[in-house]
Amino acid sequence: GNSVTQMEGPVTLSEEAFLTINCTYTATGYPSLFWYVQYPGEGLQLLLKATKADDKGSNKGFEATYRKETTSFHLEKGSVQVSDSAVYFCALSDRGPRDTGRRALTFGSGTRLQVQP
Amino acid sequence: DGGITQSPKYLFRKEGQNVTLSCEQNLNHDAMYWYRQDPGQGLRLIYYSQIVNDFQKGDIAEGYSVSREKKESFPLTVTSAQKNPTAFYLCASSITGHSGGELFFGEGSRLTVL
Repeated sequence: GNSVTQMEGPVTLSEEAFLTINCTYTATGYPSLFWYVQYPGEGLQLLLKATKADDKGSNKGFEATYRKETTSFHLEKGSVQVSDSAVYFCALSDRGPRDTGRRALTFGSGTRLQVQP
Repeated sequence: DGGITQSPKYLFRKEGQNVTLSCEQNLNHDAMYWYRQDPGQGLRLIYYSQIVNDFQKGDIAEGYSVSREKKESFPLTVTSAQKNPTAFYLCASSITGHSGGELFFGEGSRLTVL
């Protein structure tokens, strides 16, 4: 079955530090990959996505590259801000030759980011 | 504005009671989903519906029920059979039920069993 593994948090950084949150996946087909962000007390918002190998998703200074050879989709940002403090979820949506009929995202367990001033 | 509305935002329930969480969307999306979120466990799929009058069990459907009588509505009932219902519940929708599509989420409903 499909699964997503994220690095455990919390990740604590100082403002303007470089961020990496690791994400690896297992999928039976050709997944699309997503990063979602959840601010305290809220639902999830799409941060970025990539639909095929070697695609790079980017938004608000965050980037992630779809690496099929390493089955990874690591999230990076060059300079974090206090306002980036949130929980980040990696997710996949599988599509491919063995159609299971299931049409929902599979999420990782989330990584909490805390940015200190 | 288009979006997904969940209600209530907070709900308290006594043991043995059924409760229903509302989810309404005005995005004209075909597919809708319910996820449960527990600390440190990410999101787990309860039920999903790809089209009106049809729905499928997710990974943790026991103790829950849903209906999809209208395209815009996908209520979730947490029954007394659910042994550990205290959690944060998230409703989502997508344009179609096909894989690869982005999910749009509501702001969630936090259920606490007293």
